[in-house]
Amino acid sequence: DTAVSQTPKYLVTQMGNDKSIKCEQNLGHDTMYWYKQDSKKFLKIMFSYNNKELIINETVPNRFSPKSPDKAHLNLHINSLELGDSAVYFCASSQDPARVGAEQYFGPGTRLTVT
Amino acid sequence: KNEVEQSPQNLTAQEGEFITINCSYSVGISALHWLQQHPGGGIVSLFMLSSGKKKHGRLIATINIQEKHSSLHITASHPRDSAVYICAVRVANFGNEKLTFGTGTRLTIIP
Repeated sequence: DTAVSQTPKYLVTQMGNDKSIKCEQNLGHDTMYWYKQDSKKFLKIMFSYNNKELIINETVPNRFSPKSPDKAHLNLHINSLELGDSAVYFCASSQDPARVGAEQYFGPGTRLTVT
Repeated sequence: KNEVEQSPQNLTAQEGEFITINCSYSVGISALHWLQQHPGGGIVSLFMLSSGKKKHGRLIATINIQEKHSSLHITASHPRDSAVYICAVRVANFGNEKLTFGTGTRLTIIP
C-alpha cells in the first residue's frame, strides 16, 4: 500500500500551458506539503495545509495554486507554465507538525519538464 | 548563507568504512530530520531528533542543540548506502513550523 502517492510521475509540457499534479495520502495525517527540488537538488517548501487549511505559503508565484478537497488530498495547479518551473515536485504528509514525533512521509515525486 | 549547512558535499568511501556526515544550522529549531534520497529520486525519512542520539541498524544520528550541530554516522558502509543524505531543520514560521533543508551530501560507497 502506497502511503503518499503522486500523479503523474513525469510531466512534459510546453510553456504557457496549465497543468495539475495530484497527491493523496492514506496515512490519516492532518498535514500535507508541497516541496520543489531544483536542478541543484535543493529542496524548498512551497505550501503546507493542515486539515484543508493553508498554513504555510512561501514566496511562490501566484501561478501556483494548491487545492485541498479533503485531508487526504493536496493537489497543485500551475498556470502559464514557465521554463523555470522545471523541477521535481514532492508531496509529503505528517501528523500535526507541532506534535513531537511528527515525521514527514514523502511521495515519489513528479518530474516536471517545461519546454 | 543557507540556514542549514552540510559537509562534505560529496563523499566517496570504500565498502566497510565508517561514514560521518555533518550538519550545522544557524536558527532555533524544534527538531532536526535526516533524509535519504536514492538515485531513483524517492525521499525517505531516516531520523527525526530533538536531542541526544538515535540508532536504526547501522545508522546513528546525534544532535547537540547548544552547538547547533548534528551528525549522521553509517557503520560498516555498503554500496546500497549510496545516496544523497539531506539534513532538514524544523523552524517556527509565524506560529507554524516548516522544514528548511541543507544542500545534501552525495555519498558513494565503492565495493
